Amino acid sequence: EPEVTQTPSHQVTQMGQEVILRCVPISNHLYFYWYRQILGQKVEFLVSFYNNEISEKSEIFDDQFSVERPDGSNFTLKIRSTKLEDSAMYFCASRDQLREDEQYFGPGTRLTVT
Amino acid sequence: RKEVEQDPGPFNVPEGATVAFNCTYSNSASQSFFWYRQDCRKEPKLLMSVYSSGNEDGRFTAQLNRASQYISLLIRDSKLSDSATYLCVVNKDTNAGKSTFGDGTTLTVKP
Repeated sequence: EPEVTQTPSHQVTQMGQEVILRCVPISNHLYFYWYRQILGQKVEFLVSFYNNEISEKSEIFDDQFSVERPDGSNFTLKIRSTKLEDSAMYFCASRDQLREDEQYFGPGTRLTVT
Repeated sequence: RKEVEQDPGPFNVPEGATVAFNCTYSNSASQSFFWYRQDCRKEPKLLMSVYSSGNEDGRFTAQLNRASQYISLLIRDSKLSDSATYLCVVNKDTNAGKSTFGDGTTLTVKP
């Protein structure tokens, strides 16, 4: 069964450093998403991406965040200058054009900012 | 008011019990509705979509009441493996827009 993959599984970084979280969506999917989940809290939408541009973003997704699809397979989330409060699990998700309900999530990257 | 509000839980039930989760949403323009399941420290996984006509998948039944902006999930004959956090999810539109998650309701099924 096809699946969304994410790397790394755990990233530890110092405050102020840049991090790039990587995702490989399912190959025929066209819609891509990033979510985050702070430990013990709910899943929060960050951004959606379609046709090589951002479709929608949340208030959390400020100028410190950016997304990119650098090639035909990867989808990345960059945090330019990490803060302690960026520590969370970051989930990538994708879906195809036809099945609006089937959003497939990757296993997540746990980001720890020290 | 939260955009998506769920029963606070946790729910602790014996095996074989029937348990119901409730969810309300604030945006009347919301288009699509889902229940996800999340195991501890894992990614959310789609359990089922929710339609106005109601839908059933084995022991699971989901209902949507658009007039009341209310969604429910019923689990019959609960199993130990049903222990997880159940997330109510609402989409504003059917295109590439955001999904809004509830806080989740944790279910523990005990032998």
